[in-house]
Amino acid sequence: DIVVTQSPDSLAVSLGERATINCKSSQSVLYSSNNKNYLAWYQQRPGEPPKLLISWASTRESGVPDRFSGSGSGTDFTLTISSLQAEDVAVYHCQQYYTTPPWTFGQGTKVEIK
Amino acid sequence: EVQLVESGGGLIHPGGSLRLSCVVSGFTVSSSYMSWVRQAPGKGLEWVSALYADGSTYYADSVKGRFTISRDNSKNTLYLQMNSLRAEDTAAFYCAISSSWTGIFDYWGQGTLVTVSS
Repeated sequence: DIVVTQSPDSLAVSLGERATINCKSSQSVLYSSNNKNYLAWYQQRPGEPPKLLISWASTRESGVPDRFSGSGSGTDFTLTISSLQAEDVAVYHCQQYYTTPPWTFGQGTKVEIK
Repeated sequence: EVQLVESGGGLIHPGGSLRLSCVVSGFTVSSSYMSWVRQAPGKGLEWVSALYADGSTYYADSVKGRFTISRDNSKNTLYLQMNSLRAEDTAAFYCAISSSWTGIFDYWGQGTLVTVSS
């Protein structure tokens, strides 16, 4: 199975500042035939279920603010929140869907306000 | 509007059984790609099982042989039958829909809590 590892486990950022979360997969999730990275990011606010933010490593879902951006390819990916807002306090999860199941998630990164 | 409503969680002794349900509106279960994903207290997400539109089923190694995923098309409902429950199965269980075969979880329910304890 592909192992997905996030870093850091938690971070505290001042309002309006940049937050950066890293995600690394144990093998490439780039499918060469279509040049797509099979990686998604989810936001989970306290007491809520996860919500899909980004798929294909960098495609924002409809309604997701443009301060959220995804980048990377192959095995190394990044979620960036360009200007942290109070409502962005949450745990962020990355997930690979390169294989047929099992699909695997990172351990999650908790973002708090400094 | 897409809604997924889980039920069936609760406190159960080790070795016991539970059946979780997920009633779906806004999507047709029989033609969708459905999954169960769980989250142990304070932990990350773990995919548990999937049921494809063609009826194919998939399980995580940790639950294979103990859990069974199924659906009732007439009730537009997804199920997870859980047998031989262990303490390490304690988690919030979410049902989720993938709008295609890809494994991207587009919609999630609110979850139902399963606690396995003596």
